[in-house]
Amino acid sequence: DAKTTQPPSMDCAEGRAANLPCNHSTISGNEYVYWYRQIHSQGPQYIIHGLKNNETNEMASLIITEDRKSSTLILPHATLRDTAVYYCIGLSWGKLQFGAGTQVVVTP
Amino acid sequence: SAVISQKPSRDICQRGTSLTIQCQVDSQVTMMFWYRQQPGQSLTLIATANQGSEATYESGFVIDKFPISRPNLTFSTLTVSNMSPEDSSIYLCSVGPKGAGVGNIQYFGAGTRLSVL
Repeated sequence: DAKTTQPPSMDCAEGRAANLPCNHSTISGNEYVYWYRQIHSQGPQYIIHGLKNNETNEMASLIITEDRKSSTLILPHATLRDTAVYYCIGLSWGKLQFGAGTQVVVTP
Repeated sequence: SAVISQKPSRDICQRGTSLTIQCQVDSQVTMMFWYRQQPGQSLTLIATANQGSEATYESGFVIDKFPISRPNLTFSTLTVSNMSPEDSSIYLCSVGPKGAGVGNIQYFGAGTRLSVL
């Protein structure tokens, strides 16, 4: 299983970039890293995923280290609506195994 | 992506009773999953709902407590049986439209908020 480690919480100022780290040192060569977020009282929302190349979409950018032992999710311009729990997840045997995630609070 | 509808969105039940939660998807999907999220906790996978065969349960979850049906590629139900207050949780349906292959995206419903008195 691809176990992941994230800081329990972090604050970010509105309008600034939010950089969310994740360690996944046990990830295997063909396991993707997925990022989801869960805004209070809602189901998890897919953000982005990657294997070894950096990825970018309309929501965020994902930077994966060359050794694939860690990654960083970047929210380029955080807004108050980005306040949520962010999960970094390794896909194992087709199943998403959620860890504790990082509680991100965006402040005005 | 996939649009997922869960019913009911919330319920309050008496201990000893059972509740069946429905998950409807707007398109045929290969994989369907059921998760539980206890208060203040992260999500835990209960089982994979297999179309036309018995569900595959994760460690700590059993069919007698959480029977699952999946009659077709767009619909599944999860029953929480003989409920106790410890079953108070959010139950979430997730779908993987393109199967279990690496790199495929899973989408989640809004969840069913269950309180057991």
